Amino acid sequence: GESVGLHLPTLSVQEGDNSIINCAYSNSASDYFIWYKQESGKGPQFIIDIRSNMDKRQGQRVTVLLNKTVKHLSLQIAATQPGDSAVYFCAENPPIGGGADGLTFGKGTHLIIQP
Amino acid sequence: EADIYQTPRYLVIGTGKKITLECSQTMGHDKMYWYQQDPGMELHLIHYSYGVNSTEKGDLSSESTVSRIRTEHFPLTLESARPSHTSQYLCASSRNRDTQYFGPGTRLTVL
Repeated sequence: GESVGLHLPTLSVQEGDNSIINCAYSNSASDYFIWYKQESGKGPQFIIDIRSNMDKRQGQRVTVLLNKTVKHLSLQIAATQPGDSAVYFCAENPPIGGGADGLTFGKGTHLIIQP
Repeated sequence: EADIYQTPRYLVIGTGKKITLECSQTMGHDKMYWYQQDPGMELHLIHYSYGVNSTEKGDLSSESTVSRIRTEHFPLTLESARPSHTSQYLCASSRNRDTQYFGPGTRLTVL
């Protein structure tokens, strides 16, 4: 089945508002999660990560929340700016042995900032 | 800032040609990866390497091959390009099983 997925393919928000991008994962043994931002024509860029022993982690204007009970991950972006327009991917790090070693990526959410 | 490089950035080539996509990193990372990605879509792992002389196939079957003769270099080769190979190819590296750092990608078009 699908190990990592995002609920919405496109999210449109007004400039200055807060954005919340959601992600569901299926492997309860995953111990590390990461959010990437990919701008058009570029490779994915690291935003923030969180380990399974944490529920919340904050960065500059971004916060990641992890709910292990329902296997849900979210990325909150405060005071969204035009430069935040991009596709956002979540990724999980399942335990070794289930297949290829390394991160498993979700499908991505396209964040559109409206002026 | 990650130091991982890919060349060429864009490549348009005819069917049947042999191509090599280059990837280099200067971070001394042991693990390296190749992903295939259609525009705006998810990443599919096609190859990865644990270190020198190590190559493994990823989750997505690919007709490409890779080699890892030096730690910093992880080239991907297509012996005979076809239109179905048209895609973006992303290279990444990591020190462990966690954060991967990506290059800018190569956008390949096969006519």
